[in-house]
Amino acid sequence: AQSVTQLGSHVSVSEGALVLLRCNYSSSVPPYLFWYVQYPNQGLQLLLKYTTGATLVKGINGFEAEFKKSETSFHLTKPSAHMSDAAEYFCAVPYSGAGSYQLTFGKGTKLSVIP
Amino acid sequence: DSGVTQTPKHLITATGQRVTLRCSPRSGDLSVYWYQQSLDQGLQFLIQYYNGEERAKGNILERFSAQQFPDLHSELNLSSLELGDSALYFCASWGGTVPNYGYTFGSGTRLTVV
Repeated sequence: AQSVTQLGSHVSVSEGALVLLRCNYSSSVPPYLFWYVQYPNQGLQLLLKYTTGATLVKGINGFEAEFKKSETSFHLTKPSAHMSDAAEYFCAVPYSGAGSYQLTFGKGTKLSVIP
Repeated sequence: DSGVTQTPKHLITATGQRVTLRCSPRSGDLSVYWYQQSLDQGLQFLIQYYNGEERAKGNILERFSAQQFPDLHSELNLSSLELGDSALYFCASWGGTVPNYGYTFGSGTRLTVV
């Protein structure tokens, strides 16, 4: 089964600094990769997804992620952090079997933005 | 509003009790997934229903059960509750059989067992 590993359960950045959240997947051929964001006391919201084609994927709120097959990575970046970016971020990969599709999530990375 | 509705938002109950969590999927979505989110386990897949039929099971305890009704809403039943069942329970819906756009999540039910 495919899985994802998120490095760093907690990342702190200063407002205006680069945000880099790391995600590595285990599989030789990932069909799809996702990043979700969870704001405090809310559900998860799709931030961006990689399917096929362009390896640099742009999402909402200025985030983007690059699929790097050679590194089995799908790191999430944002050039300049904003206070409103403080949230927990989850990388996910679909698992399919017996006609079912499920998302397997990483452990999550909590992003703190320091003013 | 994501279009996935979960009720109640908060639930406080005693050990040994039984509760029912409800989820209405996004209009037109046939698949409903239930996830449990806790501090120590993260997001754990519990169970999936597709158009009324159970499609997949994950780390769901025998004390837990679910069903999806003809109108496609789903209920997760948790019985003989223990302190460790305290968690956020999320429902998500998925519109098709091709996973190219991910889930749509509800805002969750926070269950506290005291």
